[in-house]
Amino acid sequence: SQQGEEDPQALSIQEGENATMNCSYKTSINNLQWYRQNSGRGLVHLILIRSNEREKHSGRLRVTLDTSKKSSSLLITASRAADTASYFCATDGRGGSEKLVFGKGTKLTVNP
Amino acid sequence: KAGVTQTPRYLIKTRGQQVTLSCSPISGHRSVSWYQQTPGQGLQFLFEYFSETQRNKGNFPGRFSGRQFSNSRSEMNVSTLELGDSALYLCASSRDRGRGNTIYFGEGSWLTVV
Repeated sequence: SQQGEEDPQALSIQEGENATMNCSYKTSINNLQWYRQNSGRGLVHLILIRSNEREKHSGRLRVTLDTSKKSSSLLITASRAADTASYFCATDGRGGSEKLVFGKGTKLTVNP
Repeated sequence: KAGVTQTPRYLIKTRGQQVTLSCSPISGHRSVSWYQQTPGQGLQFLFEYFSETQRNKGNFPGRFSGRQFSNSRSEMNVSTLELGDSALYLCASSRDRGRGNTIYFGEGSWLTVV
């Protein structure tokens, strides 16, 4: 079963706009990772945020984590057509396992 | 530095056959995991290997198996293929086990069972 739930399931915006995707999860975590997947391709790692971090930036990406609400958000600023992809959050459990539990993803379409 | 490499990228098999998929992790990475991605179930964890030992297993039938070699390369095998096994199989690697490891994925192997 999926632990994470991304919201919205689909998002369509214009180039230059910001895109915000949310992720909720159910159990305590060590880390939360965001991935991008272009159609039919593998997962590209975007950012990892640890449970003791609240915010992290990488280029045009900004990720926040609220462990009290068991939620995270991914903000892509000044979006480009090349950002069109599905975005997934993935959480790991405690105990040293490398097992990731994924949400169903947000399908982002950036229109030129 | 090469990423996670999976072979083959695409394959078509017939029901009842078996298939072996291969994964070469990033150099220096010792943990390898496998995931199945389908439109209906999404991304689901299959198993994790570290130091040639299976450390964790997902909720899949025994037809799904894997192994890891001393050079950290991994294979997964699916026997007696069913139509529902059609999926993208993704391999992932990380440097070690434990907290804070970034987990990198390969491009996947597309399996179609007819």
